[in-house]
Amino acid sequence: DTAVSQTPKYLVTQMGNDKSIKCEQNLGHDTMYWYKQDSKKFLKIMFSYNNKELIINETVPNRFSPKSPDKAHLNLHINSLELGDSAVYFCASSPDRGFSGTEAFFGQGTRLTVV
Amino acid sequence: AQSVAQPEDQVNVAEGNPLTVKCTYSVSGNPYLFWYVQYPNRGLQFLLKYITGDNLVKGSYGFEAEFNKSQTSFHLKKPSALVSDSALYFCAVRGDRGSTLGRLYFGRGTQLTVWP
Repeated sequence: DTAVSQTPKYLVTQMGNDKSIKCEQNLGHDTMYWYKQDSKKFLKIMFSYNNKELIINETVPNRFSPKSPDKAHLNLHINSLELGDSAVYFCASSPDRGFSGTEAFFGQGTRLTVV
Repeated sequence: AQSVAQPEDQVNVAEGNPLTVKCTYSVSGNPYLFWYVQYPNRGLQFLLKYITGDNLVKGSYGFEAEFNKSQTSFHLKKPSALVSDSALYFCAVRGDRGSTLGRLYFGRGTQLTVWP
């Protein structure tokens, strides 16, 4: 069973479109994250939810809106896509918010290409 | 502030030789340190972590890392490299307080190539 799964794996879309990426974890974790990996492989956190509550919101354009319908799901909706949004987006989860140094588990990534 | 530096973009070693991938960190608070590996077109896989205790941490696939507080380093090592170890390796530090809590701060990654 896949612990953290994202769909779709690949997404090619035109500028200006709105798209969503879905993430689900079956680990029973309380905390979920979205990370962005740019073309130079640099990874940076975007958002974090703990039990459906937003706890981390980095400096991300408000075109990006996370949604957590329950603690096992964290979706990422992107409005008015721009060329610069092209990247690989990783979903991750961890048992807690980091108090005990627990590791995060990552999904396979969604490669978004905006043309 | 939390930050991680991986001074080498690339490390090349021959199969069977020992390998080291370097990482230094800067933290305010307790250093929770991690190594992840990324194979091509795959997600990040957890290798090992240091939270507290023994400075030598053993992880998956025969990897280990040594925590050195005085040098603020957490280098990844393996006694005998395999071609299948070729991948992108990320060092990360996790914040444990305030606005850094829960965040993983990643290094830029080191591409390890093991040649036959």
